[in-house]
Amino acid sequence: NAGVTQTPKFRVLKTGQSMTLLCAQDMNHEYMYWYRQDPGMGLRLIHYSVGEGTTAKGEVPDGYNVSRLKKQNFLLGLESAAPSQTSVYFCASSYSLGSTDTQYFGPGTRLTVL
Amino acid sequence: DAKTTQPNSMESNEEEPVHLPCNHSTISGTDYIHWYRQLPSQGPEYVIHGLTSNVNNRMASLAIAEDRKSSTLILHRATLRDAAVYYCILRDSAGGTSYGKLTFGQGTILTVHP
Repeated sequence: NAGVTQTPKFRVLKTGQSMTLLCAQDMNHEYMYWYRQDPGMGLRLIHYSVGEGTTAKGEVPDGYNVSRLKKQNFLLGLESAAPSQTSVYFCASSYSLGSTDTQYFGPGTRLTVL
Repeated sequence: DAKTTQPNSMESNEEEPVHLPCNHSTISGTDYIHWYRQLPSQGPEYVIHGLTSNVNNRMASLAIAEDRKSSTLILHRATLRDAAVYYCILRDSAGGTSYGKLTFGQGTILTVHP
């Protein structure tokens, strides 16, 4: 099993450009998450999904959109990138939202917005 | 949401035990204590979790104070591969708005010397 994979690994954008980050999981998990991590900080939740076709806002959702058209994929979109969105983005998935359940993380996408 | 307090950094020598402390004085009776770690340039990975009793697994042990206001992650024999940021996280199991979510603080940077 590949677990959680993220595409691309690195990307450089200019201010105002758009892009989509792809997350895929092969564990048949219902729940998927997008986090961002700024230098020296912990991860912050952007959006999450509790199942195919559903999404919900996390702690820092502004400037991002998400879609979950297939159970195994969770897309994070930036419609008009800003330098403040320079960060490392992590996707995660879990079987449930239960407080004893494990979240499995991808390797991250390093995004720089100039 | 209940918060955790961890030292910014700790150092250890290889093959020695490491005790990583976490204070959570406002923990509620339904909060689980989770530990994740993040190796350099990787996504976080689950280490261990517990509610009231001490827990052991192949990676580590978790010692929980009797009043649950603090806990300690124990790595019995540190290796160079254990050098990472360790996050102590409380997860709400009571069904509130933060139910099941992971809220990352800044964590403890563990340096392991050969």
